[in-house]
Amino acid sequence: AQSVTQLGSHVSVSEGALVLLRCNYSSSVPPYLFWYVQYPNQGLQLLLKYTSAATLVKGINGFEAEFKKSETSFHLTKPSAHMSDAAEYFCAVSVPLKAAGNKLTFGGGTRVLVKP
Amino acid sequence: DTEVTQTPKHLVMGMTNKKSLKCEQHMGHRAMYWYKQKAKKPPELMFVYSYEKLSINESVPSRFSPECPNSSLLNLHLHALQPEDSALYLCASSQDRGTGTTEAFFGQGTRLTVV
Repeated sequence: AQSVTQLGSHVSVSEGALVLLRCNYSSSVPPYLFWYVQYPNQGLQLLLKYTSAATLVKGINGFEAEFKKSETSFHLTKPSAHMSDAAEYFCAVSVPLKAAGNKLTFGGGTRVLVKP
Repeated sequence: DTEVTQTPKHLVMGMTNKKSLKCEQHMGHRAMYWYKQKAKKPPELMFVYSYEKLSINESVPSRFSPECPNSSLLNLHLHALQPEDSALYLCASSQDRGTGTTEAFFGQGTRLTVV
């Protein structure tokens, strides 16, 4: 079964500092990987996705992620943190279902705190 | 329009009540989903509908009953819930191309409290 593991349930960064959120996947086939963000009392918003077209993926709000097969990783980065980046971030792997649709399996999430 | 709209935003219900959660999308997506998210946990898949037919039930108790009246609407009927069912219920939709590459669009969720 495909799965993802997020290292670090909490990350604290200073405003303007690099944001690095770690995600490792387990899959016997090329995975389809996603990063979602969840603000307090909100649903999930897609940041970016990897679908094998390019290993470096750029997303919204200045985030990007690099797919590294040798390390089975898909870490999320942002060069300079803003206060508005404070949220919960989820890495997810998507598996097509036999009947229809896709199943997203999420990592445990990483809560980002941005200090002024 | 890339929105998935869920109503109500908050719901408090007793264990003997019957209530329904509603979800609507107008993106032409033919796959719709219910996810459950407990506090400080990631979302977990409950149900998948494809072309208005239930295709996946992730062993969800029968006190949760999904319904897809048409291609834009998805309901979740609730009856005789337990306090441990309190959670954020998220609706999502996606195109259904038979691959894992299409992203899901999520609603803002319904915060359910069972008392």
